[in-house]
Amino acid sequence: QKEVEQNSGPLSVPEGAIASLNCTYSDRGSQSFFWYRQYSGKSPELIMFIYSNGDKEDGRFTAQLNKASQYVSLLIRDSQPSDSATYLCAVNDPNAGGTSYGKLTFGQGTILTVHP
Amino acid sequence: DAGVIQSPRHEVTEMGQEVTLRCKPISGHNSLFWYRQTMMRGLELLIYFNNNVPIDDSGMPEDRFSAKMPNASFSTLKIQPSEPRDSAVYFCASSPPGIGNTIYFGEGSWLTVV
Repeated sequence: QKEVEQNSGPLSVPEGAIASLNCTYSDRGSQSFFWYRQYSGKSPELIMFIYSNGDKEDGRFTAQLNKASQYVSLLIRDSQPSDSATYLCAVNDPNAGGTSYGKLTFGQGTILTVHP
Repeated sequence: DAGVIQSPRHEVTEMGQEVTLRCKPISGHNSLFWYRQTMMRGLELLIYFNNNVPIDDSGMPEDRFSAKMPNASFSTLKIQPSEPRDSAVYFCASSPPGIGNTIYFGEGSWLTVV
C-alpha cells in the first residue's frame, strides 16, 4: 500500500511569513512529486512538481525533495491571504506504464490559513 | 481553450438509483482519469484510460461502479445502484501524450445520495 503522509495541520501563519508544508512517502521507487492547491469547493490545481533531489523555485514557491529521507516539502514565502487553501502532496506511480504523471497517490492535505 | 468538462456539476439522488457522471477531456489529451474525493479518504484514483483503453481499475470500489470511454472525447462513470456512502466529489482529469505531462482536473461532480 503506497502511502503519502502530510503534516496534519491546520497551519496558520501571519501574512508575509513563510509557510512550510511537509510530506513523506512510502514507495522508494517513486520518481516524481507534486504539490497541488485546492480552494474550498474547487478542483486541485498544480503548483509545482519536482523529481530531482534538492530545491526547485518558482516565484514565491520552493519545493524541496530528499529521496533518501523520502521527504518532500513546499515553502511559500511572503504568504498572502490568497494562499489560504488546502495543499495536497501527490506522488506518481513509478509503475504506471509511462502513460503520464496522472496516476497519483495523494496525501490527505494540509489546510493553510494566512491571516492578515 | 476549454478545460475538462464534467456534468452534472451537482446531483442529488435517492439510494438505489443509477447515477451517470460524464466527462469530456481536453482535446488532444490521450489519458483520462477518474478520481473521487471524500473527507474520510481524501482524493483517490478510481480508474484511468490511455487512448480510450482502461489501464488500471484497481481503485474502483466494487462492482456497482463502472467506467467507459467509447471515444477520445467522452467518458462516463456509472454507479448502479447508488448508496449513501458513494456521496463524494468525483473529478475527471486528463493529460496530453508523453511522459512528464501533468494532469488537468475538471471542476468536479458533487454527488449526494440520500
